[in-house]
Amino acid sequence: DIKMTQSPSSMYASLGERVTITCKASQDINSYLSWFQQKPGKSPKTLIYRANRLVDGVPSRFSGSGSGQDYSLTISSLEYEDMGIYYCLQYDEFPPTFGGGTKLEIK
Amino acid sequence: QIQLVQSGPELKKPGETVRISCKASGYTFTTAGMQWVQKMPGKGLKWIGWINTHSGVPKYAEDFKGRFAFSLETSASTAYLQISNLKNEDTATYFCARSEELDYWGQGTTLTVSS
Repeated sequence: DIKMTQSPSSMYASLGERVTITCKASQDINSYLSWFQQKPGKSPKTLIYRANRLVDGVPSRFSGSGSGQDYSLTISSLEYEDMGIYYCLQYDEFPPTFGGGTKLEIK
Repeated sequence: QIQLVQSGPELKKPGETVRISCKASGYTFTTAGMQWVQKMPGKGLKWIGWINTHSGVPKYAEDFKGRFAFSLETSASTAYLQISNLKNEDTATYFCARSEELDYWGQGTTLTVSS
């Protein structure tokens, strides 16, 4: 199975700050990568698919980039509502595998 | 608009069987596969498998082969996850999600297994 190493596992950031979360795959995943945000007691919300395609309705402060094995999710200017846990998912190869998650808290 | 609505919370005893439903609306059910994801308390997301809603063929991650089974009621645009011979460690929230990108998610069904 492809291993997705996500970092950091947790972080504090200030409102307005630029935040970057990374995922490194154990092999090339050809940009078949999605990013999700999950808040306590809620279902995950899809933010990005195919590494850099923003889902309709997701604020433009979210962006995805990367290729090969290395991918990142960037929040250009952190807002209070962005608190939560972020996960990456590779779906290039069976079985799809999630990163371990990044807990983002406001400083 | 696209929605996936799951069945309500379940409390079961070890050894019992549970079936969780996921009713889709807002799109043609058979045009996108349905995935299932497990979230155990305090843990990350884990992919269980998916079912091809056109052919009905399921595929399971290795850890979920045997006791986990997907099925469909296509006429009702509904997918099901059945877990048999329940164990305490099956206690988790189970999500359905549409397509390989998991672009839409159900609200989750909390399963508690306890004697």
